[in-house]
Amino acid sequence: AQKVTQAQTEISVVEKEDVTLDCVYETRDTTYYLFWYKQPPSGELVFLIRRNSFDEQNEISGRYSWNFQKSTSSFNFTITASQVVDSAVYFCALSEFAGANSKLTFGKGITLSVRP
Amino acid sequence: ETGVTQTPRHLVMGMTNKKSLKCEQHLGHNAMYWYKQSAKKPLELMFVYSLEERVENNSVPSRFSPECPNSSHLFLHLHTLQPEDSALYLCASSQEIGGDSPLHFGNGTRLTVT
Repeated sequence: AQKVTQAQTEISVVEKEDVTLDCVYETRDTTYYLFWYKQPPSGELVFLIRRNSFDEQNEISGRYSWNFQKSTSSFNFTITASQVVDSAVYFCALSEFAGANSKLTFGKGITLSVRP
Repeated sequence: ETGVTQTPRHLVMGMTNKKSLKCEQHLGHNAMYWYKQSAKKPLELMFVYSLEERVENNSVPSRFSPECPNSSHLFLHLHTLQPEDSALYLCASSQEIGGDSPLHFGNGTRLTVT
């Protein structure tokens, strides 16, 4: 069975600090997809990134970067120079394979508070 | 304009009421979903529709009844709810049902059952 663990529940940082959100996953499949979503106070989850299991290249998008390591089954998310607008709940998610029977499993989420 | 719109944003209902949640997506997606988000719990998948056909029902109590009249609209009909049903109900859509299709979520309906 697939599982996503976000061990950190709440993180509080001061603006301009860097912060890393951890995600560890479990799956028996060799083909799978990993996602990060952001849920601001407005409620909607916003898709941030998708990574497939065959692409271990790290990705950077502005202040956001993702570190995918299959050896440790981790897909960590780093925000550089955090801003107050980054305050939100962040979810990591795993989907085992493509097709009608695929299931998306979410972690419990990490609440990030960025203080001015 | 958000791609997925949910109404109402907030709903308070008694246990004997009947109400409906509405979701509309403007993204041309083929799959739509209902999720329940309760405090301190992971997101729970309730229902999945693909091209208006229900493909998944995760042991959801019958007091929740989904309806998908077309690929752009999804409803969740509520009746005889319990206080523990109070939660944020999120609608989502994706291009297809499949592991690589990211979900696009609405703002949710905050439901309080009194």
